[in-house]
Amino acid sequence: KQEVTQIPAALSVPEGENLVLNCSFTDSAIYNLQWFRQDPGKGLTSLLLIQSSQREQTSGRLNASLDKSSGRSTLYIAASQPGDSATYLCAVLGGGSTLTFGKGTMLLVSP
Amino acid sequence: DADVTQTPRNRITKTGKRIMLECSQTKGHDRMYWYRQDPGLGLRLIYYSFDVKDINKGEISDGYSVSRQAQAKFSLSLESAIPNQTALYFCATTGTSGGYGDTQYFGPGTRLTVL
Repeated sequence: KQEVTQIPAALSVPEGENLVLNCSFTDSAIYNLQWFRQDPGKGLTSLLLIQSSQREQTSGRLNASLDKSSGRSTLYIAASQPGDSATYLCAVLGGGSTLTFGKGTMLLVSP
Repeated sequence: DADVTQTPRNRITKTGKRIMLECSQTKGHDRMYWYRQDPGLGLRLIYYSFDVKDINKGEISDGYSVSRQAQAKFSLSLESAIPNQTALYFCATTGTSGGYGDTQYFGPGTRLTVL
């Protein structure tokens, strides 16, 4: 059974810092890995999707990497802003075409 | 208008009542999913459907049932609600372009409280 772990569970940083969120998964037989953002009490918004054949994806200040063989992904956020405060979720698409989610990293960026 | 809508957005009910949560999508996708989210447990898959005639159980289907009324509509029912079904419920949809290349699009969620 696929298990997805996210570290740290919570992170608090001052505005302007660069930061890294970590995601690991136990079964490397995945089709893709996705990073989502969730604001309190709201739905999930897709940030980045990395296909299993890719190493990284970038969108604005966000960069996600994937090392499928070692079962790891990182989400790098450059020059963090208070508006980045949210919970970030990592999910992998495996056999059966269903997503397995991590429990998320709760990020707080203070002004 | 939102691509994925859920009704109701909030619901308080009593133990033993039957509850239906509805989901509609305008993205023209074939695949639809129901998840529940609990503090400390993350999102867990309840049921999913790859087309109108295809329904599959997810990780935690006990106590739930679903109906795929049309390509765009996927309903989740709690036949006899119990307090530990209190959670935030999400519907999601995805296409099948390129096999596995599409992201999942989520609805805004339904907050269900069972007393």
